[in-house]
Amino acid sequence: QKEVEQDPGPLSVPEGAIVSLNCTYSNSAFQYFMWYRQYSRKGPELLMYTYSSGNKEDGRFTAQVDKSSKYISLFIRDSQPSDSATYLCAMSAGTGFQKLVFGTGTRLLVSP
Amino acid sequence: GAVVSQHPSWVICKSGTSVKIECRSLDFQATTMFWYRQFPKQSLMLMATSNEGSKATYEQGVEKDKFLINHASLTLSTLTVTSAHPEDSSFYICSARDSRDGYTFGSGTRLTVV
Repeated sequence: QKEVEQDPGPLSVPEGAIVSLNCTYSNSAFQYFMWYRQYSRKGPELLMYTYSSGNKEDGRFTAQVDKSSKYISLFIRDSQPSDSATYLCAMSAGTGFQKLVFGTGTRLLVSP
Repeated sequence: GAVVSQHPSWVICKSGTSVKIECRSLDFQATTMFWYRQFPKQSLMLMATSNEGSKATYEQGVEKDKFLINHASLTLSTLTVTSAHPEDSSFYICSARDSRDGYTFGSGTRLTVV
């Protein structure tokens, strides 16, 4: 079993839709949770960064962490074609320079 | 925000030659940097953790002698792929931990070995 599971998609939605992206994990030591967006042939770009359980909102993006269920989500409101990319969840166990463990990424396609 | 510059963005080399990839933190000091490899439509696989002034820590299955890492300063880490072969063709990405923004990634280097 992988430490982090993520549906690879692709997930196709029309412009304006609400998008829900999810990851599950097995390591209860994970405390820091991140969502990255990666365009083709580019490095990942940090979207959201949360610590422990709870919600965090930034513009059209909302990140949720449920540590009891080992489940994290990223919601994108009013999705745009420019949101079409691969979304990677990542997590680490603690502070300092703990290595990140990534999900496989979900490819999102937003059609005009 | 924090910026990590990676160079070159793409490189083509002949089989048997060596290729060096640079990763620089532009506006912060990074005592630790990370090197990843990414195959098409797959996630990032951590290769090694690069520590300034000391030896890198390699993940299981990664050949130390093939992927040489040097972290000579607080803003520069290099990955050298030695005696490259076609199976080494991949997308290589570095990252550094920035206390403000979490982990910041470089733009990646696409290596093609012919």
